[in-house]
Order: sequence, then structure tokens, then C-alpha cells
Amino acid sequence: AQSVTQLDSHVSVSEGTPVLLRCNYSSSYSPSLFWYVQHPNKGLQLLLKYTSAATLVKGINGFEAEFKKSETSFHLTKPSAHMSDAAEYFCVVSDQRNFNKFYFGSGTKLNVKP
Amino acid sequence: GAGVSQSPSNKVTEKGKDVELRCDPISGHTALYWYRQSLGQGLEFLIYFQGNSAPDKSGLPSDRFSAERTGGSVSTLTIQRTQQEDSAVYLCASSSSGTRGEKLFFGSGTQLSVL
Repeated sequence: AQSVTQLDSHVSVSEGTPVLLRCNYSSSYSPSLFWYVQHPNKGLQLLLKYTSAATLVKGINGFEAEFKKSETSFHLTKPSAHMSDAAEYFCVVSDQRNFNKFYFGSGTKLNVKP
Repeated sequence: GAGVSQSPSNKVTEKGKDVELRCDPISGHTALYWYRQSLGQGLEFLIYFQGNSAPDKSGLPSDRFSAERTGGSVSTLTIQRTQQEDSAVYLCASSSSGTRGEKLFFGSGTQLSVL
């Protein structure tokens, strides 16, 4: 079975400092992993995805994530936070066998302080 | 259209009434998903349509919930005899072909409040 755990429900950083949003997954088969972002009053938008190629994945707006099979993790990072990054972030897993079933984490709300 | 469109954006109803939520996916997208997002929770899968195949209804929480997709395009999610625990944001998403690792395009959702 697939599942996703986002370890922090809220993260607060200062503008210009690094961002780390943690995600651990469980999957019985080769996983596909995604990060989606939801800005207030807007639809969810794909930030980046990992399917089976390079383990370090770069996405939009300077975000990246590294797939670590040994740690079953897919943490999202950004070197320098911007005020516009304040949003809710969801880690998502599907797998090779049921690739149309997407399992969402409970979300991490990122607050960016000036 | 330019994106996934959902209507209404907000719906307030009384307990016991039926409601219909509409989703208009991106033109040409064959895969369509419904999710439910409750306060403080992740997205809960409800139902998945792919082309003309039988839908995957495994996420529907009870037989009060049903969905259809007419002509492979617009979808309607119906909740009968609404209960207060049905209050949530209902999100629709589509993707072009439902293949592995494909990007989902989400609508802005319908906020359902059951009084």
C-alpha cells in the first residue's frame, strides 16, 4: 500500500533563508513522487516530480527534491525563501502498479517572514 | 477551456438535501479525478474516470456519493442526503492521458458547507 507522511504541518522561515519541507513515503512498488503547491484561493499546481530517472529533481521557482530510496524520503528544498513561496505544499505518491492512484500527504503550510 | 473549471465555487446546503457539483476538464484530457479536502487533511481520492473505461469508484465513502462523466468530458459529482461530515472542498483534476507520472491539472474546487 502507498502512503505519505509530511512530518511538519507548519514551517516558518525568514525571507532569504533555506526551506526544507520533509516527506516520507511508503510504496510496495517503484514509486512516482510529486510535490504540489496550493496558494490561497488558487488551484493546486505541480512543482516537480520524480518517476524513475535522476534522483535529484529540479522544479519551478527554484525548488528541488531528492529521492532517497534508502531513507524512503523525498524532501523539498529551496536555497533562499521568497515571500511569494508562502503556501501549502503537498507531497504525493503513486506507484508503478497503480499509477492512477495518487496518495496525498496532509500538507505543510509554509510561512515566510520578512 | 484554459483550465479545469468547477462550479459552483461555494455551496451551502441543509442536512438531508442532495447536491450536484460540476467539473469541466481541460479540453482533450481523457483522465478525470475527484478528490475531497477536509480541513487540516490531505486530499482524499474519491473517483477516477479514464476515457470510456469503467470508473474506479474505490474511494467513494458511501453509496450516497455517485459521479458520472458524460461524453468523456464534463463530470458531475452527486451527494445525496447530505450530512455535516460531507462539508469539505471538493477538487476535480484532469490529465491528458492518465499515464504514469503525468501532471494533474486541478480546478479551484467547490467549498461545500452542510448546515
